Amino acid sequence: SQQGEEDPQALSIQEGENATMNCSYKTSINNLQWYRQNSGRGLVHLILIRSNEREKHSGRLRVTLDTSKKSSSLLITASRAADTASYFCATRDTGANSKLTFGKGITLSVRP
Amino acid sequence: DAGITQSPRHKVTETGTPVTLRCHQTENHRYMYWYRQDPGHGLRLIHYSYGVKDTDKGEVSDGYSVSRSKTEDFLLTLESATSSQTSVYFCAISLGTDYEQYFGPGTRLTVT
Repeated sequence: SQQGEEDPQALSIQEGENATMNCSYKTSINNLQWYRQNSGRGLVHLILIRSNEREKHSGRLRVTLDTSKKSSSLLITASRAADTASYFCATRDTGANSKLTFGKGITLSVRP
Repeated sequence: DAGITQSPRHKVTETGTPVTLRCHQTENHRYMYWYRQDPGHGLRLIHYSYGVKDTDKGEVSDGYSVSRSKTEDFLLTLESATSSQTSVYFCAISLGTDYEQYFGPGTRLTVT
């Protein structure tokens, strides 16, 4: 069963705007990861945040984690047309060893 | 690029026939995974492996079997393909203690 639930399911923005995507989960986690998938390709790892961290940055990406609310957000600043893709959150649940549980994904369209 | 290849990349087969998909990695990673991706369901784990001859089931393992006789190869077999197994199949490996995953390019399987 899906652990992460992303919100919204689809997002359309203008180039240069910021894109915010949310992920909620249900159980205790070790870490939460965000992935990107371009059409017809495999998923690409973007950023990881551990359960004892609240915020991380990587280039134009900012991810936050609120373990009390069991939620995470991914912010892409100054979006580009090349950011058009599907984005997935994945959780490594406590006790899940090497497995990740993926959400259903968010489709982001960035209009030039 | 984590050196992951999948073969074949596309396959059309008939209901009831056996099908084997191959995942090959070049860097001796211990953990390997098979997922299927379907619209509305995101990515779902079929089987995974934590070493040669060490495998375990994921959430959608019915109708699938796997084998790992060498570190570099992880095979997924559909013993008797059904139309419900039409999907895109992704192989992944994971790295480090946080289990970040890196994906192959995918195999599009159509069962007619």
